[in-house]
Amino acid sequence: GAGVSQSPRYKVAKRGQDVALRCDPISGHVSLFWYQQALGQGPEFLTYFQNEAQLDKSGLPSDRFFAERPEGSVSTLKIQRTQQEDSAVYLCASSLNLDRDEYFGPGTRLTVT
Amino acid sequence: DAKTTQPNSMESNEEEPVHLPCNHSTISGTDYIHWYRQLPSQGPEYVIHGLTSNVNNRMASLAIAEDRKSSTLILHRATLRDAAVYYCILRDEGKSGGSNYKLTFGKGTLLTVNP
Repeated sequence: GAGVSQSPRYKVAKRGQDVALRCDPISGHVSLFWYQQALGQGPEFLTYFQNEAQLDKSGLPSDRFFAERPEGSVSTLKIQRTQQEDSAVYLCASSLNLDRDEYFGPGTRLTVT
Repeated sequence: DAKTTQPNSMESNEEEPVHLPCNHSTISGTDYIHWYRQLPSQGPEYVIHGLTSNVNNRMASLAIAEDRKSSTLILHRATLRDAAVYYCILRDEGKSGGSNYKLTFGKGTLLTVNP
C-alpha cells in the first residue's frame, strides 16, 4: 500500500526565501510528526499533530518555522526567511495513533545557499 | 528523556548473526524500548519494540535484560540490505497523550555488512 510521501524530495532555496514542504501521511493515520535531520546526526523532533490539532511544537527551532494540518490529513511545514543553518533533511512520519509505530517518509532535503 | 548508549559502528559478515547492544541504565518503568533503522537516503523504518519480555518478529529479535538496563537487537542472518544506522530509543508510554510519544533519536550504530 501507499506509504508516507513527501514533496518536493529536494529543494534549493536562496537565503531569505520562504519554503513549504508537504507531507501526505498514510490514509487513516491520526498522528503526524515532523523531524529535522542534520548531516551525520539522528532525526530531531520538531512538532506533532493529533488530527488537525498541533499538540506539541516544542522542537521548532524558531518562530520562522510553522506547521499546519488543517483537515487532519496533509501537513505542510513552512520555513520563512530561510537561513543556511536550516539546511537539513526534513522527515515526516505518521502513525495510527500516538502509541503506535511511526512510518516515515523519504524526507525532503533542503539546501539553503 | 531517558538516554540510550550505543556503539558508533559495528561490522558483520553476510549471512552471520549480528548482535547490536544498547545500554539504558536510567530506564523508567513505563519506558518501552524501540528500535528503528535508517537505510542510506531513506527515512527511518520501525524494526521492533518491547517492554520486558523478549520479542520476535519477521525482521529481528529483541532481547531485554532482566533489570531492563540493557537490550540487544539480534539480526539472525545479516544481508547486505541490513546495512543501516540502527537507533535504540526509549519511549515513555505511561502517560496519556502528550509529547511522551515523540521519538528521541541518538546517533545510533552504523552497521556495515561485508559480502
